[in-house]
Amino acid sequence: AQSVAQPEDQVNVAEGNPLTVKCTYSVSGNPYLFWYVQYPNRGLQFLLKYITGDNLVKGSYGFEAEFNKSQTSFHLKKPSALVSDSALYFCAVRGQMDSSYKLIFGSGTRLLVRP
Amino acid sequence: EAQVTQNPRYLITVTGKKLTVTCSQNMNHEYMSWYRQDPGLGLRQIYYSMNVEVTDKGDVPEGYKVSRKEKRNFPLILESPSPNQTSLYFCASNQGLYSNQPQHFGDGTRLSIL
Repeated sequence: AQSVAQPEDQVNVAEGNPLTVKCTYSVSGNPYLFWYVQYPNRGLQFLLKYITGDNLVKGSYGFEAEFNKSQTSFHLKKPSALVSDSALYFCAVRGQMDSSYKLIFGSGTRLLVRP
Repeated sequence: EAQVTQNPRYLITVTGKKLTVTCSQNMNHEYMSWYRQDPGLGLRQIYYSMNVEVTDKGDVPEGYKVSRKEKRNFPLILESPSPNQTSLYFCASNQGLYSNQPQHFGDGTRLSIL
């Protein structure tokens, strides 16, 4: 069965420090992996995706994520956090051969960046 | 501007009173989907549609109906709402089955069933 785990309900980091939001997945075959961000009273906004190729993926707002096939992980990172990065982050996976195009979401991680 | 539009954004209603949440996209996308978001559970798929007149159940379809009579619209229908359907609902769309592009999400509809 396909699944996504985000082991931390909340991540706290000081502004200017690096941040990491963790994600591991389980899927049949090769994955498509996505990170989304949700701000209060808004829908999910796409940050970045891994389809194939380079394991380090760069996305919007200075975020990046590293695909690690052996560890089945896709952790979200940013070298220097901003207070405005505080939001709810979701990791999602889809099997490349999945005919339903269903995205499986993690439970979300709340990022709190303190000034 | 490319967007997915949901209405209403907020609704408080009572058990058993039929309601419809509309969803419309202006990107000519083939694929559309409904999710519900509950604390600690992430987003779970309710129903999806591959194209006009083609719909299928997601992971949590009980108590919901959908229709896809035209490409741009994908309404979610609660025939007899119950309190356990109190949740935040999102509509999403995507180009189609073989696309590896991300889904576009609406801003959400917060439903409270009393």
